[in-house]
Amino acid sequence: DAGVTQSPTHLIKTRGQQVTLRCSPKSGHDTVSWYQQALGQGPQFIFQYYEEEERQRGNFPDRFSGHQFPNYSSELNVNALLLGDSALYLCASSFGRTGGASYGYTFGSGTRLTVV
Amino acid sequence: QQPVQSPQAVILREGEDAVINCSSSKALYSVHWYRQKHGEAPVFLMILLKGGEQKGHEKISASFNEKKQQSSLYLTASQLSYSGTYFCGTEEGNTPLVFGKGTRLSVIA
Repeated sequence: DAGVTQSPTHLIKTRGQQVTLRCSPKSGHDTVSWYQQALGQGPQFIFQYYEEEERQRGNFPDRFSGHQFPNYSSELNVNALLLGDSALYLCASSFGRTGGASYGYTFGSGTRLTVV
Repeated sequence: QQPVQSPQAVILREGEDAVINCSSSKALYSVHWYRQKHGEAPVFLMILLKGGEQKGHEKISASFNEKKQQSSLYLTASQLSYSGTYFCGTEEGNTPLVFGKGTRLSVIA
């Protein structure tokens, strides 16, 4: 049973560029959450998608946007990249919308984004 | 509201016990515990729903004090494989899972 798959694993971008990160959730999961993890820190919530809509959003600027497709896979887009956007981006899938019966998140291995 | 974890770091010898605490100023619906090894994804350990039940498997267990909005993770007879950073994540209801800053656990022989 495949877990959460993220691509690419590593990415180097120049300041000002745009980037798209991809995530395929674990089989049977319908909710995708995106987190940003700086070195030595806990994951910071970016947003969550359920039924192809953004249901929750953390304290991130509009430069961060996303999408969920009918097959539950998801994309994270970041525009006008800043040096401070360099981090590990984690995708987590789960079943059901947060706040209901929560059974734990399954994380992907992440995409390491470096902005130079 | 980010939960507060303590301690920030702990070093154990194999066979010793440890307790990691997680607290919030908000009323919690659930508390999650995850372990992340260096360069890897966080791995789900367990979830505790409001009601104060204690859960666990093998030598890792946790409790949730709903009235105090606190949870504790108990690691007994630690093994080298327990090394990593432990994160608690909290949900207040219809809110996303918010993680603490983590507790770095090192188990040495």
